[in-house]
Amino acid sequence: GAVVSQHPSRVICKSGTSVKIECRSLDFQATTMFWYRQFPKQSLMLMATSNEGSKATYEQGVEKDKFLINHASLTLSTLTVTSAHPEDSSFYICSATRAATNQPQHFGDGTRLSIL
Amino acid sequence: AQSVAQPEDQVNVAEGNPLTVKCTYSVSGNPYLFWYVQYPNRGLQFLLKYITGDNLVKGSYGFEAEFNKSQTSFHLKKPSALVSDSALYFCAVRDRNAGNMLTFGGGTRLMVKP
Repeated sequence: GAVVSQHPSRVICKSGTSVKIECRSLDFQATTMFWYRQFPKQSLMLMATSNEGSKATYEQGVEKDKFLINHASLTLSTLTVTSAHPEDSSFYICSATRAATNQPQHFGDGTRLSIL
Repeated sequence: AQSVAQPEDQVNVAEGNPLTVKCTYSVSGNPYLFWYVQYPNRGLQFLLKYITGDNLVKGSYGFEAEFNKSQTSFHLKKPSALVSDSALYFCAVRDRNAGNMLTFGGGTRLMVKP
């Protein structure tokens, strides 16, 4: 089945640090990747939609300059949390999908970000 | 706009008993429907999907779901629950005419007790 790899799985760092999270589709070409944020005991909140070779589309309320997304190839998207603060601490999950809209999204295992 | 409702925050069931996790949806067009499962500190794993055809869809780990257009529901079911089925379950919908974006329900925690 389709595999999405997300790294790192856990990050603990000091306030003010920028953190990069990678999302790779290992065995298929992902025309679209999604970045989600999940708070404890809550559902997934879509942050942005990333299409290869074009600028990401951010959801309302998500700061573009805070959460930088790069989708450099059909198998790699990165999310950089710039100058992270404790309120950015969360579980971040990426997903990837093929072109056809009847295909499921395939999820990475998530990154738990803890900002001290 | 599309939305998904999972009315139960938690479902408790004894091992060996049948389980149902409820989901209702709202879309302007025809839906694609999905169920995902999430284990602690992990991403979501795809269980099954409804695209077209038979209303009863069979998926991974013995799970199945029934698409009911008149009731706009897509309840997840399993004939005999296992303790290892305990996890967080998400229903999701995608409008066929609205691109790739999924809308998730709030999630239902399934607790299967021995």
